Amino acid sequence: QVQLVESGGGLVKPGGSLRLSCAASGFTFSDYWMTWIRQAPGKGLERLSHISNIGGRTYYAESVKGRFTISRDNAKNSLYLQLNSLRAEDTAVYYCGSLRYGQIDYWGQGTLVTVSS
Amino acid sequence: QSALTQPASVSGSPGQSITISCTGTSSDVGAYNYVSWYQHHPGKAPKLIISDVSNRPSGVSNRFSGSKSGNTASLTISGLQAEDEGDYYCNSYTGDSTLLVFGGGTKLTVL
Repeated sequence: QVQLVESGGGLVKPGGSLRLSCAASGFTFSDYWMTWIRQAPGKGLERLSHISNIGGRTYYAESVKGRFTISRDNAKNSLYLQLNSLRAEDTAVYYCGSLRYGQIDYWGQGTLVTVSS
Repeated sequence: QSALTQPASVSGSPGQSITISCTGTSSDVGAYNYVSWYQHHPGKAPKLIISDVSNRPSGVSNRFSGSKSGNTASLTISGLQAEDEGDYYCNSYTGDSTLLVFGGGTKLTVL
């Protein structure tokens, strides 16, 4: 069955960096656009970034543009999100998901990023 | 792209039916039949319960149904059960570089 498993979250100081990974299985990863979504404590779902199936097209929300970088390795069935210059307001659970016409058919279980000194 | 508008909360008693609305614009909800609904329980991954306005993925209870009229999509849950309590989010395809837009979420309380 389809599985998306995020990893790489943790506690980081303001200004620090993290690299999140999302391992995909159970579907043809290279056929799908992919996305990162986050949920901050007490807040709703926020779209962060997405990437086309072969990686040529990317999008970033204004809140993370210039600080986060999305990438993928289709040979490894993996999606990544590099988080730089982290701020307290980036504290959230980060989810990866598979996209189909803007709809997220499959979600990972999430990885928690906590930005605190 | 502004967020889709959902009521902050709805409630109902076991066995009753409730409907959650999701209002967008003629550029998103009104333009495409690519509206989804997700159920989110705290600490768990969001779960797709309706896609393409009214399609129920395999394994999702037929108590969940979706519809759309103009710029407003709706999720109806019939025969409310305690396990339905949680947060519900809608989202729509936008057709531009942003690709998708979410609603702010609706907290469902089963009384």
